[in-house]
Parts: sequence; C-alpha cells; structure tokens
Amino acid sequence: KQEVTQIPAALSVPEGENLVLNCSFTDSAIYNLQWFRQDPGKGLTSLLLIQSSQREQTSGRLNASLDKSSGRSTLYIAASQPGDSATYLCAVGPSNNNDMRFGAGTRLTVKP
Amino acid sequence: GAGVSQSPRYKVAKRGQDVALRCDPISGHVSLFWYQQALGQGPEFLTYFQNEAQLDKSGLPSDRFFAERPEGSVSTLKIQRTQQEDSAVYLCASSLDGGGGDTEAFFGQGTRLTVV
Repeated sequence: KQEVTQIPAALSVPEGENLVLNCSFTDSAIYNLQWFRQDPGKGLTSLLLIQSSQREQTSGRLNASLDKSSGRSTLYIAASQPGDSATYLCAVGPSNNNDMRFGAGTRLTVKP
Repeated sequence: GAGVSQSPRYKVAKRGQDVALRCDPISGHVSLFWYQQALGQGPEFLTYFQNEAQLDKSGLPSDRFFAERPEGSVSTLKIQRTQQEDSAVYLCASSLDGGGGDTEAFFGQGTRLTVV
C-alpha cells in the first residue's frame, strides 16, 4: 500500500525566505504527483501536476521536482510572502488513477 | 459553474440521522472522486466514478456509506445512521480524463459534517 509522508509537519519562516517542502512515497510505480494548497476551512487548490515522465514543473514562484526512483518530490517556494501561509499537500496518483494518496500536509506560516 | 461545487457547506447531524452530501463536478469531467478528511490529516480516498460507473468503492469505511452518480454528472454521498466518528470534511474532486492520469484533479470546498 502506498504511503505518503510530508516533512516537516509545520514550518514558520520570515517573509522573503526561500523554502523547501518535502514529500516522500513508498511505491515508485506512480502515474503522477500533484501538489495542492489548502487554506483553513477551504477545499484544495491545485498548484502543480508532474507526470511520471517529468522531473519538474514551474509556476511563478513555485517549482516542484520529482525523483521517482528515490520516491521523493520537493516543492520549492521562492521569496515567500504572508499570503503563502496555508497547508501544502502532495498526492501521488497510481496507474489506475482511482486512488490518489495524500500526505498529511505541511502547515506553512510566513511571518511579515 | 466554473469549479466543483459542493452542498451543503456545513451540516450538523444528530447521531443516527441520515445525511446526503451533493457534488456538482466541472461540466464535462469524466472522473469524480470522494474523499474524507479528518482534522489535521490529509484526505483519504472513499470512492471513484468514471461517468456513471462506480469503479472503485474500496475506501468506503462501512456499508452505511453509499455513493451514486446516476447520470454521470452530479454525485451524492449518503451516510446512513451517522456516528460521531463520521465527523469530518467530505471533499469531492473531478478531472477531465477517464483514468489516464494526464489531467489535474480539481476539488470543491468540501462539506464539513459534524455529528452530535
């Protein structure tokens, strides 16, 4: 059974810092990996989708990398802002795409 | 609408009551997923539809949970005889593809169920 782990569970940084969130998964036979953002009391907002054949995706200040063989993905946030404060979740998609497995998330706080 | 819509946003149910949660996916999306999210945890898979066919219900925690998508668009998750451990946020997601994994999943705002 696929297990997804996110480290750290919580992170607090001053505004302007660059930061890295980590996601690891136990079964490398994945179809894709998706990073989401969740604000308190809200649903999930998709940030980046990486197909298994890709190594990274970029969107604005966000960059996500994928190393399937080692079962790892990182989300890099450049020049963090208070508006980036949220919980960040990674989810891996198996080949049948039926059952995205989520990590427990990293709760990020960016202080002004 | 432009996104996935769920209703109600909040539901308080007395223990033993039946509830029905609704999901309107993005128009034209083939795949629809239901997830359960406990406080402080990531979402846990419940069930998956491809059009009107329920292809995977392995995540439903008990036979009190039932989901349907009769016309391949709107879906309803029904919980019978609710119990306190059913209290959670129920998230619905849809994606355009039919299981190929090529497209993103888009989530609704969720329904927060509290069983008292």
